[in-house]
Amino acid sequence: DGGITQSPKYLFRKEGQNVTLSCEQNLNHDAMYWYRQDPGQGLRLIYYSQIVNDFQKGDIAEGYSVSREKKESFPLTVTSAQKNPTAFYLCASTWRSAGGANVLTFGAGSRLTVL
Amino acid sequence: SQKIEQNSEALNIQEGKTATLTCNYTNYSPAYLQWYRQDPGRGPVFLLLIRENEKEKRKERLKVTFDTTLKQSLFHITASQPADSATYLCALDTPRYGNNRLAFGKGNQVVVIP
Repeated sequence: DGGITQSPKYLFRKEGQNVTLSCEQNLNHDAMYWYRQDPGQGLRLIYYSQIVNDFQKGDIAEGYSVSREKKESFPLTVTSAQKNPTAFYLCASTWRSAGGANVLTFGAGSRLTVL
Repeated sequence: SQKIEQNSEALNIQEGKTATLTCNYTNYSPAYLQWYRQDPGRGPVFLLLIRENEKEKRKERLKVTFDTTLKQSLFHITASQPADSATYLCALDTPRYGNNRLAFGKGNQVVVIP
């Protein structure tokens, strides 16, 4: 079955540590996204990538980094510079034609807790 | 920037009734308005979308309306069932402005009471 796989599902981190969240898709989608979700908040965009070896900052990129070396993979690193990293992280991907709708397929999410 | 408003209070509804959710936005109308369902601890799942030149769209027990004059979309779940209990997110999609990002509302929780 095609889809998006995020790992780990749950992750605990000590303050000052960097952690990397994995996101892999086998949908042959061009664009991939990372969102953060906090209780009572909407989805906030961290980074997105429309093509391999290229990515753009979203609305809350500070303290995060990404890479897009392969079409299938878009890992997110939460660095120690992120002041409040405890959150639910969602990866998504999409294929769309020019001017077409941007329908997202989401992964199951990764819940990061900083101890 | 675009502001999207969904009711922050949960909608409690009796099984079999129609649940109606509202999504309001402030600025330019999107080319597409999308609705997603999210269950606790899971990623959102796409339900349906409506184009700016469409007034209404249906999919099984779901119906979406789009009024660009009011800058509002309504999402209806008819003959609601307990399995419909979830949070529903609206999202604005405006690819023609070169914007490859969706703007999401905070979501509106629905609780269907048996």
